[in-house]
Amino acid sequence: NAGVTQTPKFRILKIGQSMTLQCTQDMNHNYMYWYRQDPGMGLKLIYYSVGAGITDKGEVPNGYNVSRSTTEDFPLRLELAAPSQTSVYFCASSYSIQGLVSSNQPQHFGDGTRLSIL
Amino acid sequence: AQSVTQLGSHVSVSEGALVLLRCNYSSSVPPYLFWYVQYPNQGLQLLLKYTSAATLVKGINGFEAEFKKSETSFHLTKPSAHMSDAAEYFCAVTKGGGGNKLTFGTGTQLKVEL
Repeated sequence: NAGVTQTPKFRILKIGQSMTLQCTQDMNHNYMYWYRQDPGMGLKLIYYSVGAGITDKGEVPNGYNVSRSTTEDFPLRLELAAPSQTSVYFCASSYSIQGLVSSNQPQHFGDGTRLSIL
Repeated sequence: AQSVTQLGSHVSVSEGALVLLRCNYSSSVPPYLFWYVQYPNQGLQLLLKYTSAATLVKGINGFEAEFKKSETSFHLTKPSAHMSDAAEYFCAVTKGGGGNKLTFGTGTQLKVEL
């Protein structure tokens, strides 16, 4: 059971380049999330999705874009990489009944993508 | 808005000693609370969750946490630390507003010494 799979694990980008961080899950979860983790800051939510075709902004969406064409996949796109986007990026998924404000279902995390922008 | 505060960004204990990691939450509605652990170069793994069924929650690897509404706390404990417990620990609370979003604390790095 693979769970949440993120690729690549490491990447170095030059300023201004673009790239897509891939995330796929095999648990048939309807909710998916992208976070960034910076030292001493915890995790900050970038974007999330409550189902295929539905995405919404989190706390720190600037400079990023997402799409959700299937239940399994939730790629994160950086269009013009900036040094401030150097971080560790985590994808997560969870199951929840649609329409609930909150749920006791935990989020399941991938192993992260370590991104450096120079 | 819902939030969590983790007191102490670094905690050091001796092997065999009690582990106590502190988490206080702020929530305008009954919260769902979670503790996650992160080992080096890995993602977050669920340790335990509070869902209002019982105030004392047991998790994996011998960890447990007690929900205290009067103190707005959800501290994580383990009676006897093991070297393998060295990791970063995050407390999280449901954020509300749909999407089952979580607000995470800033984390506590646990060091276990011989």
